[in-house]
Amino acid sequence: DAGITQSPRHKVTETGTPVTLRCHQTENHRYMYWYRQDPGHGLRLIHYSYGVKDTDKGEVSDGYSVSRSKTEDFLLTLESATSSQTSVYFCAISETSGNYGYTFGSGTRLTVV
Amino acid sequence: QQQVKQSPQSLIVQKGGISIINCAYENTAFDYFPWYQQFPGKGPALLIAIRPDVSEKKEGRFTISFNKSAKQFSLHIMDSQPGDSATYFCAASFQTGANNLFFGTGTRLTVIP
Repeated sequence: DAGITQSPRHKVTETGTPVTLRCHQTENHRYMYWYRQDPGHGLRLIHYSYGVKDTDKGEVSDGYSVSRSKTEDFLLTLESATSSQTSVYFCAISETSGNYGYTFGSGTRLTVV
Repeated sequence: QQQVKQSPQSLIVQKGGISIINCAYENTAFDYFPWYQQFPGKGPALLIAIRPDVSEKKEGRFTISFNKSAKQFSLHIMDSQPGDSATYFCAASFQTGANNLFFGTGTRLTVIP
């Protein structure tokens, strides 16, 4: 997906370990979002950012933290991974708050064993 | 509480047929209704969107029908093709605010050759 890169693409980790997922954008968009996608639940917002060091919680933020020290990078951290956090995680970016379309990354498939 | 309700969860259509996916919302403050298309292993991508001041928008084989009084909108895919097989998400948003996009739970469409 042009302008937005997620890493890693796949990760398997053990319960109780910390995990950090990275979202990197080259579009200089102000707004960045982390979603998780699970069958039957669609896309659920975890955290979002409306500027450097400006972040807020979404619908399913428990067990997750985020940081944004630069416009281009938005990190999602699972402090102590649990099996319920096994999911596909998507980062999205948006230029304006008026939502004229989000651009999504290709996702990170995380498995917690 | 699910802000946007989507049905059906899955849909199988013969090649050349019409695929119809329905969504409903409650919040009358929503003023932008996009549809996203997601192929396996990829992030969702904006397909088509409509604002509530029009009742229909058509782009190629894809049409959004919007019923403001019923608070419902639907995606119609005419002459469905195997390449249309994907998961489709409807969404609704406000024009302002950083956390303003709400997704339906998705419909997995399979078009049989």
